[in-house]
Amino acid sequence: AQKVTQAQTEISVVEKEDVTLDCVYETRDTTYYLFWYKQPPSGELVFLIRRNSFDEQNEISGRYSWNFQKSTSSFNFTITASQVVDSAVYFCALPSVGSSNTGKLIFGQGTTLQVKP
Amino acid sequence: EAQVTQNPRYLITVTGKKLTVTCSQNMNHEYMSWYRQDPGLGLRQIYYSMNVEVTDKGDVPEGYKVSRKEKRNFPLILESPSPNQTSLYFCASSYHRGPPYNSPLHFGNGTRLTVT
Repeated sequence: AQKVTQAQTEISVVEKEDVTLDCVYETRDTTYYLFWYKQPPSGELVFLIRRNSFDEQNEISGRYSWNFQKSTSSFNFTITASQVVDSAVYFCALPSVGSSNTGKLIFGQGTTLQVKP
Repeated sequence: EAQVTQNPRYLITVTGKKLTVTCSQNMNHEYMSWYRQDPGLGLRQIYYSMNVEVTDKGDVPEGYKVSRKEKRNFPLILESPSPNQTSLYFCASSYHRGPPYNSPLHFGNGTRLTVT
């Protein structure tokens, strides 16, 4: 069965601290993609990144970086020098496959990040 | 600007009064889908559509209807809303054109529905 686990329910940091959000996944596919989404307090869901299982190089975009490790089935997200505007719920997600292949994403339960000034 | 537009953003209604939540995308995506988000249950797919006139049930379709008469629009219809349909609803679209479904889903801003 496919599953995404975000064990950290809530994280609180002070502005300018670095923070890492963990994501562990299960899939029987040998080739797959993983996603991160951000849900700020205003409620919308914002796509952040898509990575494929072929590429284990770290991805960096400004203060955001992602570490994908196939050996440990993890796809962790690090925010460097966090800012108050980073406060949000962050979701890791995996496309469904097989008989439940409806184009849907299987989301983790989300990690609520609070960045205090 | 490429976007998925949902309306209304907030809606309060009473049990049994039919309502429609509209969704429109301007990215020429063939795939569209509806999700609901509930505390403790996360995001669950309600319906999806692979293309015009092609729709199918997701994980929680009971009490909902959809239609896809045009590529850009995918309204969600609640014929007789009940309090257990109080939720945050998201419409999404994607470049999906068949398996594997690996394109990102682009979500609308959400519709917060309260049924009393």
